[in-house]
Amino acid sequence: GAVVSQHPSWVICKSGTSVKIECRSLDFQATTMFWYRQFPKQSLMLMATSNEGSKATYEQGVEKDKFLINHASLTLSTLTVTSAHPEDSSFYICSASPQGGWGTQYFGPGTRLLVL
Amino acid sequence: DAKTTQPPSMDCAEGRAANLPCNHSTISGNEYVYWYRQIHSQGPQYIIHGLKNNETNEMASLIITEDRKSSTLILPHATLRDTAVYYCTSSGGTSYGKLTFGQGTILTVHP
Repeated sequence: GAVVSQHPSWVICKSGTSVKIECRSLDFQATTMFWYRQFPKQSLMLMATSNEGSKATYEQGVEKDKFLINHASLTLSTLTVTSAHPEDSSFYICSASPQGGWGTQYFGPGTRLLVL
Repeated sequence: DAKTTQPPSMDCAEGRAANLPCNHSTISGNEYVYWYRQIHSQGPQYIIHGLKNNETNEMASLIITEDRKSSTLILPHATLRDTAVYYCTSSGGTSYGKLTFGQGTILTVHP
């Protein structure tokens, strides 16, 4: 149990385009999901907390207008990177918990984004 | 900033126990200690967590010192597939479910 999926697993796009990444909890409902970003040879950095039915909470330094988060259902959160630029190339990972925001977080497999 | 510190790298022989230390002297009394590992190009995998007592599951054992300032993750019989980056982190209390990751320990298991 506690499986989290992401789609796509990797994406290549041109600079200036927008990219949507989906995060799904497959066998549980998730009122809260978290989005992380990881650059090569670095650790994971929390970007934002996604709350079902309400606005996401962004960490300091993360542009909310650039990284749009929508948590429209209890099993799906989406992260849209708008007007992507090469510096947005990174590994994006989401997490969720069957116990909501307080419980053990289970991570998706990640989405690798390359912006040309 | 991460509330935990770990050695940057460790080696272990296959079949031997791997003992990975973590210092978390600043976590609050109601924060859990969590361990995850990340194999190259994959999302982190949950290993184990604990609050005060030692814990064991099918993957590993977690030994937490009585003062909760440090802990040790034990992989009792390391295999080559255990080669990964191991992260010690904390969650709960005022941190809610958010996890703050430090640089972790690169564990290399060799034949």
